[in-house]
Amino acid sequence: QSALTQPASVSGSPGQSITISCTGTSSDVGGHNYVSWYQQHPDKAPKAMIYDVSNRPSGVSSRFSGSKSGNTASLTISGLQAEDEADYYCNSYVRGGTYVFGSGTKVTVL
Amino acid sequence: EVQLVQSGAEVKQPGESLKLSCQGSGNSFATYWIGWVRQMPGTGLEWMGLIHVLDSDTRYRPSFEGQITISADKSISTAYLQWSSLQASDTGMYFCAGARHGTAVWNIWGQGTLVTVSS
Repeated sequence: QSALTQPASVSGSPGQSITISCTGTSSDVGGHNYVSWYQQHPDKAPKAMIYDVSNRPSGVSSRFSGSKSGNTASLTISGLQAEDEADYYCNSYVRGGTYVFGSGTKVTVL
Repeated sequence: EVQLVQSGAEVKQPGESLKLSCQGSGNSFATYWIGWVRQMPGTGLEWMGLIHVLDSDTRYRPSFEGQITISADKSISTAYLQWSSLQASDTGMYFCAGARHGTAVWNIWGQGTLVTVSS
């Protein structure tokens, strides 16, 4: 169970939109819709931003959206804000009953 | 809603044993899956394993199988992560996370426990 593949870093200016990809296999990302995304600020616990590919937990800004095509899931942040600067991890259920995280993406707001 | 509170930071020597705890508050704790996540210094998140509190159904990520033990005591709303013999490579931050049974969103997290293993 290798980590899902994410770009190491993505950057954008305030107000812009950015997209983070998360590539797995048919045994994880491509096999079902249990893909979620987590935001982690330095020295803080992760926070769920998206679940079941495209749903937002209560309280999460509508600027965050998710999608999936085949073995690749994506997180889009629109109207980028300074507070969005953080690390982002995708997460997928794996056939057999466990989970696997992505390698993580550092988002920088220029 | 359930909240998770983890035990405090630990400093251990190689070869020592350790048991971390993750206590839940709220009546529905037994309906949750509790997972343990490792974050080594400067690196990403890694699942170690998870347990269903109600029936102790436990699943381990293959690379951690045999290295750790995950358990739970629903009577005191607490999940545990333990090692019988620590190694320096076990140094890191450990988070517990919770997902309500039937969902795949880990929407509650403990504050993390820093474990340092050094001689």
